[in-house]
Amino acid sequence: GENVEQHPSTLSVQEGDSAVIKCTYSDSASNYFPWYKQELGKGPQLIIDIRSNVGEKKDQRIAVTLNKTAKHFSLHITETQPEDSAVYFCAATSEDTGRRALTFGSGTRLQVQP
Amino acid sequence: DTEVTQTPKHLVMGMTNKKSLKCEQHMGHRAMYWYKQKAKKPPELMFVYSYEKLSINESVPSRFSPECPNSSLLNLHLHALQPEDSALYLCASSQAESSARYGYTFGSGTRLTVV
Repeated sequence: GENVEQHPSTLSVQEGDSAVIKCTYSDSASNYFPWYKQELGKGPQLIIDIRSNVGEKKDQRIAVTLNKTAKHFSLHITETQPEDSAVYFCAATSEDTGRRALTFGSGTRLQVQP
Repeated sequence: DTEVTQTPKHLVMGMTNKKSLKCEQHMGHRAMYWYKQKAKKPPELMFVYSYEKLSINESVPSRFSPECPNSSLLNLHLHALQPEDSALYLCASSQAESSARYGYTFGSGTRLTVV
C-alpha cells in the first residue's frame, strides 16, 4: 500500500517569512495529492491539491509542487501570518483504482511567530 | 450547504455503554468515511461507504459498527469500548469514492473519551 512521509514534524517561522513542508510517497500509482490544514479542535480543511499531470499549482500565498520522478511534493506558504499556525497534513491517493482512500503524512505543526 | 455536520461534539462514555456518533451532509456526496485521529497523529481510515454500501473496513474491531441509513447520513455505533479508543472521530465525504479529485470535506469531529 501507499506510504507517505512528511517533514519536518514542527516548523517555527517569523511572520512574513516563507514556510516549506515536504512529503514523499511510495506508490507510483498515486496521482492526487491534497494538503489539509487542521486547527485546534477542528477537522482537516482542504487548502490546495495537485494532480500528477501538473508540476505546480498556486493559490494566492500557497503553492504546491510535485516531482513525479522523485515521488515528492511540497507545500510552500509565503508571507506567513499568525493565522497560518496549525497542523498541516499532506496526503496521497490514486483516482484510478476506485477503492483507495487518502493516505496521510504524519503532519507538520507550523508556528508563525508574530 | 457545503458542510459535514457531526454530533455530538464531545462524548464521554463508560466501557459498558452503548452510544452512537452521527454524521450528516447535504452536498449530494455519495462516499462517506469514518476516520479516527489520536492526538498529534494523522487521521486513520476506519470505514468507507460508497453509495450507501460498506466498501472498506480497515480491520476495525467489531465494537465499532457503522451504518449508512441513507445517502446523507452516516452513523457509528459504539459498544464496549476501551480507554484506548478515546480519540477524535472524524467523518468525511466526497462526491464519489473513486473521485477523491474533488477532495474530501471533513466534519469537525466528535471528541470521544472512554472512562
